[in-house]
Amino acid sequence: EAGVVQSPRYKIIEKKQPVAFWCNPISGHNTLYWYLQNLGQGPELLIRYENEEAVDDSQLPKDRFSAERLKGVDSTLKIQPAELGDSAVYLCASSPGTAGANVLTFGAGSRLTVL
Amino acid sequence: QKEVEQDPGPLSVPEGAIVSLNCTYSNSAFQYFMWYRQYSRKGPELLMYTYSSGNKEDGRFTAQVDKSSKYISLFIRDSQPSDSATYLCAVPGGSNYKLTFGKGTLLTVNP
Repeated sequence: EAGVVQSPRYKIIEKKQPVAFWCNPISGHNTLYWYLQNLGQGPELLIRYENEEAVDDSQLPKDRFSAERLKGVDSTLKIQPAELGDSAVYLCASSPGTAGANVLTFGAGSRLTVL
Repeated sequence: QKEVEQDPGPLSVPEGAIVSLNCTYSNSAFQYFMWYRQYSRKGPELLMYTYSSGNKEDGRFTAQVDKSSKYISLFIRDSQPSDSATYLCAVPGGSNYKLTFGKGTLLTVNP
């Protein structure tokens, strides 16, 4: 079974340009997460979806970041316009969303460099 | 106060050494604790988790929770160069469906 698939793996853009990242979660996983990981830091949650509903987006900078999960499967994270400080790895993860220990499965990440 | 704090390292050990990685957490209500391993340019992958307190062993890896001191540890016995990675502790901060991660400890095992 394929894991969490993310694309693109690497993206280099000029500041003020838009960028979008795509994520395909594990089949059957209702819960999808976007995390941000800066160099030398642990992942930090940006947004969490339960099916197609964003249930936790308190850490998403809504002035420039947006996300969607149409039909409750794939998800897209967009930044417009990008700033130098947005250079980081954007990780997508999914989980079954069941009670007990919530095990997240991560994708390989999309590494963004803003010049 | 952060929900979880982790010794950042980095840590460099010779092959065969015993490695100890540590985190502290703030909320005594947390019931499970996870360790993720992240290789360079890869996403984190679950290594193991413990539920409540005590020890859990999986091969060369042992996860330990001390709820009285809010301290979690990961021990690696007979460390191998293939164990070289960043190790992240995680707790269910805020809700059962959200994980909050420590900063990670970069481990290098030298042959």
